[in-house]
Amino acid sequence: ILNVEQSPQSLHVQEGDSTNFTCSFPSSNFYALHWYRWETAKSPEALFVMTLNGDEKKKGRISATLNTKEGYSYLYIKGSQPEDSATYLCAPHSDKLIFGTGTRLQVFP
Amino acid sequence: DAGVTQSPTHLIKTRGQQVTLRCSPKSGHDTVSWYQQALGQGPQFIFQYYEEEERQRGNFPDRFSGHQFPNYSSELNVNALLLGDSALYLCASSLATSNYEQFFGPGTRLTVL
Repeated sequence: ILNVEQSPQSLHVQEGDSTNFTCSFPSSNFYALHWYRWETAKSPEALFVMTLNGDEKKKGRISATLNTKEGYSYLYIKGSQPEDSATYLCAPHSDKLIFGTGTRLQVFP
Repeated sequence: DAGVTQSPTHLIKTRGQQVTLRCSPKSGHDTVSWYQQALGQGPQFIFQYYEEEERQRGNFPDRFSGHQFPNYSSELNVNALLLGDSALYLCASSLATSNYEQFFGPGTRLTVL
């Protein structure tokens, strides 16, 4: 059973700050790593799906990297905005998605 | 294009009762997965349905069962409800040929008293 850890559990930053979160997981036995963004009372929204070691993906101010050999992924947000406030979930995908507990980000104006 | 929809939004039941939750997948999707998110935890995989059959199952007791209909919509049934079944239940849909991408509904909040 994969044990997926995300850190920090929660984060409070000022508007304009850049921030990053970590997702760590056993480095074997999966074929993709997903990042989801989940705003309160809404559906989790897919941000990235990464499959290759060294993969880097970017969507606007948000980017992610993947290291499959050591079993971690980083999510970066450059110049955080209040609308970035959400819970960010990572999920390695073996035969199913295994979610971490998420990092809850709050961005204050 | 409607995304994944779930009903009802909220539900309150008492211990021992049975509940049915419903999910309509995103248009064109043929696979439905169900997840349970208990307080303070990430979503946990319950099971996945494809071609009206349970294809995979997570570590949940037999009280949790499901069904998929010919139009790909799905139901999650939970019998003999326990207080610990109180959670947010999420449905996700995908294409069997591209199971990488799963699109989630907003969930059903179940409270068991």
